[in-house]
Amino acid sequence: RKEVEQDPGPFNVPEGATVAFNCTYSNSASQSFFWYRQDCRKEPKLLMSVYSSGNEDGRFTAQLNRASQYISLLIRDSKLSDSATYLCVVNIWGDYKLSFGAGTTVTVRA
Amino acid sequence: GAGVSQSPSNKVTEKGKDVELRCDPISGHTALYWYRQSLGQGLEFLIYFQGNSAPDKSGLPSDRFSAERTGGSVSTLTIQRTQQEDSAVYLCASSERTSGHNEQFFGPGTRLTVL
Repeated sequence: RKEVEQDPGPFNVPEGATVAFNCTYSNSASQSFFWYRQDCRKEPKLLMSVYSSGNEDGRFTAQLNRASQYISLLIRDSKLSDSATYLCVVNIWGDYKLSFGAGTTVTVRA
Repeated sequence: GAGVSQSPSNKVTEKGKDVELRCDPISGHTALYWYRQSLGQGLEFLIYFQGNSAPDKSGLPSDRFSAERTGGSVSTLTIQRTQQEDSAVYLCASSERTSGHNEQFFGPGTRLTVL
């Protein structure tokens, strides 16, 4: 079983729509969680960290469910510029290694 | 400030040749990581440096792959006798710390094509 699993998508949504997707992680010792964004042929860039209580950054909301071991990302009022692959990343506290999901592709159409 | 830089950005080589990829991390970042990303795939961890030492080389796919880091800064990843399956984007990342909230910053990558 992969450490981090994501629905690859693609999620194809119109501008202004809300899109949400999850990722699941297998190691219950995971303590830090991130969403990275990767544009086509570019490097991953940190979108937001995910905190236990859930957090919001503008149009982006991240939630963590430790009991079920999943993380979600919700994008409100989608923009064309939100089209990208979103990588779910987890880290065990005290471990240097990040575990990456394969990514969820989102395409926002005009 | 300056981010992680990598060179070359693109490298085309013939099967059997050796290649050397370079990574210059963010100044002051003690931890440095190499990943590989094949087309349509997730990131595959290769090796990690804490300072100049590499406590974990377990991700290196074969003994043709090696890496070093000098002066706690620049790192080079060397692939000897390249094979076509080595074609991928090689990404370097650095972070301030190796535990706790370990946010990693990525370079733009080196796209390696082995003919």
